[in-house]
Amino acid sequence: EVHLLQSGGGLVQPGGSLRLSCTASGIIFSDFGMSWVRQAPGKGLEWVSEIRNDGGETHYADSVKGRFTVSRDNSRKILFLQMRSLRVEDTAVYYCAKSWQLGNWGQGSLVTVSS
Amino acid sequence: DVVMTQSPLSLPVALGQSASISCRSSQRLVHSDGNTYLNWFQQRPGQSPRRLIYKISNRDSGVPDRFSGSGSGTDFTLKISRVEAEDVGVYYCMQGTHWPRTFGQGTKVEIK
Repeated sequence: EVHLLQSGGGLVQPGGSLRLSCTASGIIFSDFGMSWVRQAPGKGLEWVSEIRNDGGETHYADSVKGRFTVSRDNSRKILFLQMRSLRVEDTAVYYCAKSWQLGNWGQGSLVTVSS
Repeated sequence: DVVMTQSPLSLPVALGQSASISCRSSQRLVHSDGNTYLNWFQQRPGQSPRRLIYKISNRDSGVPDRFSGSGSGTDFTLKISRVEAEDVGVYYCMQGTHWPRTFGQGTKVEIK
């Protein structure tokens, strides 16, 4: 059974940084691209970023490009999202998901950007 | 960016009745590999989203056969036959053919 366990959310001031992690089990992690999707409070889903299975290609939404960096450690089966220069509008629950087709989802990590 | 437009945005349905959700894309979703990456997701209250359907009409493992997907080109439909109480939630379509990936606004299904 595929399981994606997330960690790393919390409260951060505007301009601050935070790193999210997503640890996979039940899959051959290095076989799959991975994605991040977020959901602002009371709003719909917004695609954030995607990384190829070998880490050699990444894509970002315009809203986070230049501020967020997706990476992965295939030896430890962990996906990361490094978030810098955080803004109030980045406040959301962040989900990691398997592949670009979002076949399985993590439990979500709440990120609150507020002074 | 590809705009995904769902309708209706709110869908009250009586138990045992059918429900249909439409999703229209602003561009055709056929990938260069010949596949159409149109997926449907269910988000129950307080839960993470869950994929129900991938590539228009393929049901994920464990998804009841009451859920079916259809469509082509720019017009797609999710149908729920014989709605049950556990089907309450918000349903999203998403295109995975073009970057950036984009979601519909969501359709809230509730029991009438």
